[in-house]
Amino acid sequence: ETGVTQTPRHLVMGMTNKKSLKCEQHLGHNAMYWYKQSAKKPLELMFVYNFKEQTENNSVPSRFSPECPNSSHLFLHLHTLQPEDSALYLCASSQDLWQSGLTDTQYFGPGTRLTVL
Amino acid sequence: DAKTTQPPSMDCAEGRAANLPCNHSTISGNEYVYWYRQIHSQGPQYIIHGLKNNETNEMASLIITEDRKSSTLILPHATLRDTAVYYCIALTGANSKLTFGKGITLSVRP
Repeated sequence: ETGVTQTPRHLVMGMTNKKSLKCEQHLGHNAMYWYKQSAKKPLELMFVYNFKEQTENNSVPSRFSPECPNSSHLFLHLHTLQPEDSALYLCASSQDLWQSGLTDTQYFGPGTRLTVL
Repeated sequence: DAKTTQPPSMDCAEGRAANLPCNHSTISGNEYVYWYRQIHSQGPQYIIHGLKNNETNEMASLIITEDRKSSTLILPHATLRDTAVYYCIALTGANSKLTFGKGITLSVRP
């Protein structure tokens, strides 16, 4: 099993739909992250979880709702999205969170390509 | 974290070494230099990182100048699959965010 997996790989949804993105890491890491990458823009950090607790919300609109039931799984629940939310959504994990004083390498999943109609 | 600057693009021939430069003239003593790459429509991939000494792993070598104001990522034998955007990032471990800039687009030609 590869390190960080994401499902689905592609998702098309209408603005009134509710959907969820799933991320799973098989690396035994304690920290997990959601990033958004819009076309021709740098990656934007959305949320950070450490030991299942959210430690950062980077001013993300409430139509994005993360959930971290355990250190291996991370979800991003989507509802009433806008067309401008269409992007590649990336999940990552690291052994520990950067605030631990360690410079921790992040390992990324393949991403979910989301299109909002 | 120190700002890094990279040229927007470069190319190299397959089988040759690809030397990707990065300037980080304001880097502080406790900031590491990290390199990631992102192949089209995939998640970023960690390559290598270093603080002061040169580093080598199975993917690449990282050469950091003695004054630490610049570094070079070396892919010793570039292949077509190395075509990607390469990001040079300077960060510390404490309260630091992995911030991706525009990176350098490496095109490996046959």
